[in-house]
Amino acid sequence: QKEVEQNSGPLSVPEGAIASLNCTYSDRGSQSFFWYRQYSGKSPELIMFIYSNGDKEDGRFTAQLNKASQYVSLLIRDSQPSDSATYLCAVRWNQGGKLIFGQGTELSVKP
Amino acid sequence: EAGVTQFPSHSVIEKGQTVTLRCDPISGHDNLYWYRRVMGKEIKFLLHFVKESKQDESGMPNNRFLAERTGGTYSTLKVQPAELEDSGVYFCASSQVGAEDTIYFGEGSWLTVV
Repeated sequence: QKEVEQNSGPLSVPEGAIASLNCTYSDRGSQSFFWYRQYSGKSPELIMFIYSNGDKEDGRFTAQLNKASQYVSLLIRDSQPSDSATYLCAVRWNQGGKLIFGQGTELSVKP
Repeated sequence: EAGVTQFPSHSVIEKGQTVTLRCDPISGHDNLYWYRRVMGKEIKFLLHFVKESKQDESGMPNNRFLAERTGGTYSTLKVQPAELEDSGVYFCASSQVGAEDTIYFGEGSWLTVV
């Protein structure tokens, strides 16, 4: 059983729309949750992290965490073609510990 | 400021040969991590150094893999002898101690074993 699951996509949205990326995790002890963006052939780049239930906003990005449902999501408002990339969800059990990644969701934003 | 740099960016070797991957973390980052992604799979943790000490090596697949970080600066990951299933992208990452939520990744070393 996979520990972190993401829909592999591709998820296609029109420019200007809201893109919604979802992630579920199996370990209820997970403490920290991360979203990374990876362009093809490039390094994963941290978008944001979240610890507590609820929403956390950073610019056009909002991370949502629901620990009871073991679910974390990333919303991208006003999607741009430059947002087209693979989005990786990762969880961590303890401070400083290893990241457990999902397989990533490919997002395509069409002009 | 330079990011995490990895060498080589691409390597093609024959089964049974040895390959050594190098990672230079961001200056001042005492945490150094190795991850890898094999074809069709998720990125998986290999090990974590704090300075020159191995903090967690639970992800190392077998004794054909040897990671070192002499002097607590750059790190090397040696695969000897390489097998076909070792093909993939090997990512190095680093972070500051006390700021482990902000981990910076390199672009990866692409390894193909034929």
